[in-house]
Amino acid sequence: EAGVVQSPRYKIIEKKQPVAFWCNPISGHNTLYWYLQNLGQGPELLIRYENEEAVDDSQLPKDRFSAERLKGVDSTLKIQPAELGDSAVYLCASSPGQGAGGELFFGEGSRLTVL
Amino acid sequence: AQSVTQPDIHITVSEGASLELRCNYSYGATPYLFWYVQSPGQGLQLLLKYFSGDTLVQGIKGFEAEFKRSQSSFNLRKPSVHWSDAAEYFCAVGGYGGSQGNLIFGKGTKLSVKP
Repeated sequence: EAGVVQSPRYKIIEKKQPVAFWCNPISGHNTLYWYLQNLGQGPELLIRYENEEAVDDSQLPKDRFSAERLKGVDSTLKIQPAELGDSAVYLCASSPGQGAGGELFFGEGSRLTVL
Repeated sequence: AQSVTQPDIHITVSEGASLELRCNYSYGATPYLFWYVQSPGQGLQLLLKYFSGDTLVQGIKGFEAEFKRSQSSFNLRKPSVHWSDAAEYFCAVGGYGGSQGNLIFGKGTKLSVKP
């Protein structure tokens, strides 16, 4: 069974440029999460989807960040424009659903460097 | 507010020695508690979790953790460390916002293993 797939693995951009990250969750997993991991820190939740609905986006900086999961499967996280402080690893995770015991399956992450 | 504290940023142990990684949490209700491991360049993997019941939980790779409500702790232990255990370990508490998967992570403890 394939795991959570993220791309790109690495991205280097100039500040003020846009960037997008893509995530394909494990097949059949209804719940999808985007987490942000700064250097030396633990991951922080940005947004949670139940199927195609964003049910918790309270931590997503909506002035420059956006996310979508149009068909309830794969998801895209966008930053426009990027700032220096956005340099971090963006992690996608999925789970079968609320009753699944809370285990999240994480992708390998997309590491963003903003110059 | 919910929080997780991992007091040790970096621990070095000799191969074959025992290991204990500390975790303290602050949470208003009965917590869902997790330990995840992150190897370099890899996604986070669940080691074990506690929801209720027996306060000593067994996980994968020979790890165990003990929930102590009176101390607000959930320390991770392993009786004999292997070189392949070198990684970063994250304690997390989940369940805020009505979702077990909304995790608050500690800052992590990096484990190095000496031969």
